[in-house]
Amino acid sequence: GAVVSQHPSRVICKSGTSVKIECRSLDFQATTMFWYRQFPKQSLMLMATSNEGSKATYEQGVEKDKFLINHASLTLSTLTVTSAHPEDSSFYICSAEKEDTQYFGPGTRLTVL
Amino acid sequence: GENVEQHPSTLSVQEGDSAVIKCTYSDSASNYFPWYKQELGKRPQLIIDIRSNVGEKKDQRIAVTLNKTAKHFSLHITETQPEDSAVYFCAAKGWGTDSWGKLQFGAGTQVVVTP
Repeated sequence: GAVVSQHPSRVICKSGTSVKIECRSLDFQATTMFWYRQFPKQSLMLMATSNEGSKATYEQGVEKDKFLINHASLTLSTLTVTSAHPEDSSFYICSAEKEDTQYFGPGTRLTVL
Repeated sequence: GENVEQHPSTLSVQEGDSAVIKCTYSDSASNYFPWYKQELGKRPQLIIDIRSNVGEKKDQRIAVTLNKTAKHFSLHITETQPEDSAVYFCAAKGWGTDSWGKLQFGAGTQVVVTP
């Protein structure tokens, strides 16, 4: 199988605080993981590519100092939204790559008040 | 980089009929084309994929065709059932300067199957 978990599934935080989201590949090792953001009724927008043991690669327009990514092991990548603001409210989804195929986590619904 | 266009944006079908979703891509080097199904509030789930060395692939009621020359690929769902109702995304794995190893997703198709 190829199971990816993501925690938390839902988080509500105050403006100005930081939120960490974890993405784990449960039954396989993933050198590469991806972080996406999805707005209602829209497609998946790639934010960054996370490679184990190296710096993440961010897509154009994504602030790397605001969305901190760490891929410290072959089964765990984390996304930290720093100094969150209401406009950061969204559905964040990670994926882990196994043999060319991306398997997605269940997503994290972030609401910033 | 890679650009993927998907049509239609919405598709309503009667239960038992077939549904077809079409996608085009721009990067001739793209070699992997997955299709994902996403129900509301849930994760995208891989339903079928095809690689550039194959023209067609079938899995029960789902089939995908690929035309490399024309750079388009299609998803076919036969004998549709209400549980097929969801948003379907096509994607292409690009190998250009800005898209190396990344999936470029289409805009999605909302499929509604009415009993």
